Parts: sequence; C-alpha cells; structure tokens
Amino acid sequence: DTAVSQTPKYLVTQMGNDKSIKCEQNLGHDTMYWYKQDSKKFLKIMFSYNNKELIINETVPNRFSPKSPDKAHLNLHINSLELGDSAVYFCASSQEMRNQPQHFGDGTRLSIL
Amino acid sequence: SQQGEEDPQALSIQEGENATMNCSYKTSINNLQWYRQNSGRGLVHLILIRSNEREKHSGRLRVTLDTSKKSSSLLITASRAADTASYFCATDYNTDKLIFGTGTRLQVFP
Repeated sequence: DTAVSQTPKYLVTQMGNDKSIKCEQNLGHDTMYWYKQDSKKFLKIMFSYNNKELIINETVPNRFSPKSPDKAHLNLHINSLELGDSAVYFCASSQEMRNQPQHFGDGTRLSIL
Repeated sequence: SQQGEEDPQALSIQEGENATMNCSYKTSINNLQWYRQNSGRGLVHLILIRSNEREKHSGRLRVTLDTSKKSSSLLITASRAADTASYFCATDYNTDKLIFGTGTRLQVFP
C-alpha cells in the first residue's frame, strides 16, 4: 500500500501548456506539501496545506496553483509552462505542521520541451 | 539563504566501513531531521532529533546534534551497498517548514 502516491510519474509537455499533478495520501495526515527539486538536487518547499487550508505559499509564480479538495488530496496545477519549470515535483505529508517526519511520494518528473 | 550546508558533497567507501556526514545550519531550531533519497525515488525519513537532544540511534544509524556549533552528524556503521543514496539534513528554524540541506551523495562499493 503506497502511503503517498503521485500521478503521473513522468510528464513531458511543450512550453505554454497547462498541466496538473495529483497527490493522495492514505496515512490520515493533516498536512500536505509540494516541493520542487531541481537538477542539482536542491529541494525547496512550494506550498503546504493543513486540513485543506493553505499555510505556506513560498515565492512561487502564480502560474502554480495548488488545490486541496480534502485533507487526503493535494493537487498542483501549472499554467503556461516554461522551460524553467522542468524539475521533479514531490508531494509529502505529515501528521502535524511541526516537529513531525514527512512522508514523500516518488515524485513527478516534469520535462518541458 | 537559510539552506544548510552538508559535507562532504560526495563520499565513496567500501562495504563494511563507516560513513559520516555532517550538516551545519544557520540559526536556532526546534528539530533537525535526516532523510535518504535513492536514485529516482522520494525522500525517506531516517531520524528526527529535537533541539534538547544530543544523540539518537536507529539501527545502524547514529545522529548527533551540537546546538552550540549549529551542526549535526549522521553516522552509518558497517555500511552496505544498499546504503548507496543521497542523504539530506533538514531543519525547521522554529517555523512551519523544513529547509533542506545541499545533500551528501554516498556510494558504497561491494
């Protein structure tokens, strides 16, 4: 049973397109996150939600819009994709916001042509 | 940037040897965490150590925390080829988010 699952695993698309990545966790956690890992393996938080409420919104272009329909799901929609958006996007979850280990999905590898 | 620094950036050892990775951070923290990332996979949580703790163990893993030096180390004893991965420290800096370090790439040769 996969704890945090993301789809799709790979996403290859053209500049200017709009795409979505879905994430689901079956751990019963209250908090979910989106991270971006670049080609140098730097991992940076983008967003976090706690019980469907947006808590952290880092300096991310507003082309990126997260949506949490319920606390088990956190999706990421990206409009007008740019070359610089190429990266691996990870979803994660934790029981609470602070002092808790985070559980990561296996990532979505986004390549912009 | 508050991003922590890890050293070494890369480490190659033989099976059976010990591997030590270090992490330095910038300001006060509630906790520091270590994660492992295998190639093409997500991060896996290893150990969380709180600011009032000095050492924690989990199997072959030993983590130390020195808040006066703002540093932590991860020791893997009797390493195995399966330990080959990237290892990241992450700190919360008394906030709701984790800031990940630059990572150490560990290669264990059989």
